[in-house]
Amino acid sequence: RKEVEQDPGPFNVPEGATVAFNCTYSNSASQSFFWYRQDCRKEPKLLMSVYSSGNEDGRFTAQLNRASQYISLLIRDSKLSDSATYLCVVNMDTGRRALTFGSGTRLQVQP
Amino acid sequence: NAGVTQTPKFRVLKTGQSMTLLCAQDMNHEYMYWYRQDPGMGLRLIHYSVGEGTTAKGEVPDGYNVSRLKKQNFLLGLESAAPSQTSVYFCASSYRSRQGLNLEQFFGPGTRLTVL
Repeated sequence: RKEVEQDPGPFNVPEGATVAFNCTYSNSASQSFFWYRQDCRKEPKLLMSVYSSGNEDGRFTAQLNRASQYISLLIRDSKLSDSATYLCVVNMDTGRRALTFGSGTRLQVQP
Repeated sequence: NAGVTQTPKFRVLKTGQSMTLLCAQDMNHEYMYWYRQDPGMGLRLIHYSVGEGTTAKGEVPDGYNVSRLKKQNFLLGLESAAPSQTSVYFCASSYRSRQGLNLEQFFGPGTRLTVL
């Protein structure tokens, strides 16, 4: 089983749609959670951190469910510019001070 | 600020050749990392460093060596390149983590390496 699992997609949605991605992680001791965005042939960039109470940043909402070990990302009112791959990222608390990345979910927003 | 830079951007090697990838950051970050990204695999950690003069193995260290002689630079070496090392290599850096929590990692633009 992968340590961080995501549905690879692609998710094809029309502009204005609401889309949600889920991610599951294997290590219950994980402490930090993030969503990164990666555009085609570019480097990953932090989209938002995920807090236990859930958090929102404009059209983006992230939630964490520790009991079920999953993280979600909700995008409302999708824009063409949201087309990218979204990476679920977890600090697996292995003492490596490094992050474990999911393989990403590809989103294509269509006009 | 340039952030995190990587050189070269592209490289083609023949099997058995060696090369060094250079990563530089100007944000005074303590931690630096090397990842590789392959289709469908996500980013995998090769080696990392928590400070000048210290390095440690990540998830897939075999066939690679690293050095961190200066705080701002992190070098990744391939002593004898193999086709399995064809990949996109990303360097990243971050501030020292607080209480074991990871902070945002900033990535370089990547190096696309092909080994024939």
